[in-house]
Amino acid sequence: DGGITQSPKYLFRKEGQNVTLSCEQNLNHDAMYWYRQDPGQGLRLIYYSQIVNDFQKGDIAEGYSVSREKKESFPLTVTSAQKNPTAFYLCASSISEGDRSYGYTFGSGTRLTVV
Amino acid sequence: AQSVAQPEDQVNVAEGNPLTVKCTYSVSGNPYLFWYVQYPNRGLQFLLKYITGDNLVKGSYGFEAEFNKSQTSFHLKKPSALVSDSALYFCAVRDAGGYQKVTFGTGTKLQVIP
Repeated sequence: DGGITQSPKYLFRKEGQNVTLSCEQNLNHDAMYWYRQDPGQGLRLIYYSQIVNDFQKGDIAEGYSVSREKKESFPLTVTSAQKNPTAFYLCASSISEGDRSYGYTFGSGTRLTVV
Repeated sequence: AQSVAQPEDQVNVAEGNPLTVKCTYSVSGNPYLFWYVQYPNRGLQFLLKYITGDNLVKGSYGFEAEFNKSQTSFHLKKPSALVSDSALYFCAVRDAGGYQKVTFGTGTKLQVIP
């Protein structure tokens, strides 16, 4: 079955450490997104990519970085510059940004905790 | 700018009773509207969407939503709630003609009481 796989499910980060969250999709979707979810705040867009080798900052990109070297993969790195990284991170994909009526398909999320 | 509001943080309903989860939106053009459901520690699952046409949209698991342009609302409904419907529900909006990404509401926790 097609879908989005996020790994790991749980991740623990020490102060000052960079960590990378994996997101892989086999839906042949062009567009991919990273969201951060905090209680009571809904979903906030971190980064998005419309096509391979291209990505743009979302609303809360500071302290995060991404790459899009393959269509299937869109990893997110949480750097030491992100001062409050504890959150639930969701990866999503869509056929393309041009098809605005298409909804998003989400992965099952990664819960990141600073220890 | 586009926005979406879910005025209730939590909705409690008895099993077997009808349920409504409210959503209002603001866009400059025509809206594309979506509802998603999230179970604990899981991603969001698509329930239904309104693009154009009939104002009553039917979706997964017996849910439906009514688009009301004059009230800029897109409330989620189900005639008879199940305990298994207990989850977090997100409304989302996108301007059909603009360049902004999808905007999500803050979510409403639905609790169905046995």
